[in-house]
Amino acid sequence: GDSVTQMEGPVTLSEEAFLTINCTYTATGYPSLFWYVQYPGEGLQLLLKATKADDKGSNKGFEATYRKETTSFHLEKGSVQVSDSAVYFCALINYGGSQGNLIFGKGTKLSVKP
Amino acid sequence: NAGVTQTPKFQVLKTGQSMTLQCAQDMNHEYMSWYRQDPGMGLRLIHYSVGAGITDQGEVPNGYNVSRSTTEDFPLRLLSAAPSQTSVYFCASSSRAQYNSPLHFGNGTRLTVT
Repeated sequence: GDSVTQMEGPVTLSEEAFLTINCTYTATGYPSLFWYVQYPGEGLQLLLKATKADDKGSNKGFEATYRKETTSFHLEKGSVQVSDSAVYFCALINYGGSQGNLIFGKGTKLSVKP
Repeated sequence: NAGVTQTPKFQVLKTGQSMTLQCAQDMNHEYMSWYRQDPGMGLRLIHYSVGAGITDQGEVPNGYNVSRSTTEDFPLRLLSAAPSQTSVYFCASSSRAQYNSPLHFGNGTRLTVT
């Protein structure tokens, strides 16, 4: 079945460091890909998405490019801030394979130190 | 605009007790779902509904019941709570009228079963 694998955390960075969180997926057909963020004590919020190969999603300085050849959707940010500390989830939706339900990776906790 | 509202925020149950976790959305979304979040496991789909009167099982449905009598409400019932159901539960909704529309999450219910 469809699945998402993302890098294990936690990830600890200093403010203004470069961030990469790796995400790869397994799915039949042409899934859409998402990054969600969860701040402490809150539900998940959509951070960015990409719906077809080579699309780049971006929001709040974060970017991710849908790479079908490597089945990847890595999250990047050039200069992280303390306020970016959160748990990040990679996810896919595949109307053909997973009945249109969102499938999540296990999450990566990011801590940014001043 | 309230979005997705979950109640209660916290609950402690004894083994064998029953309870209902409430979820309501005011966005007229057709799709609603329940996830549980456990450390190291990410989010796992319990049950989902694509419209009033229609429900289906997700990845981990055992021990949970749902119903969808209205578009707005999607309660999750635990008939006989077990310690393995200690978790954080999230309700989410989305519009199926818009392809790939994002999931909107509630702030979660933290359940402890002793």
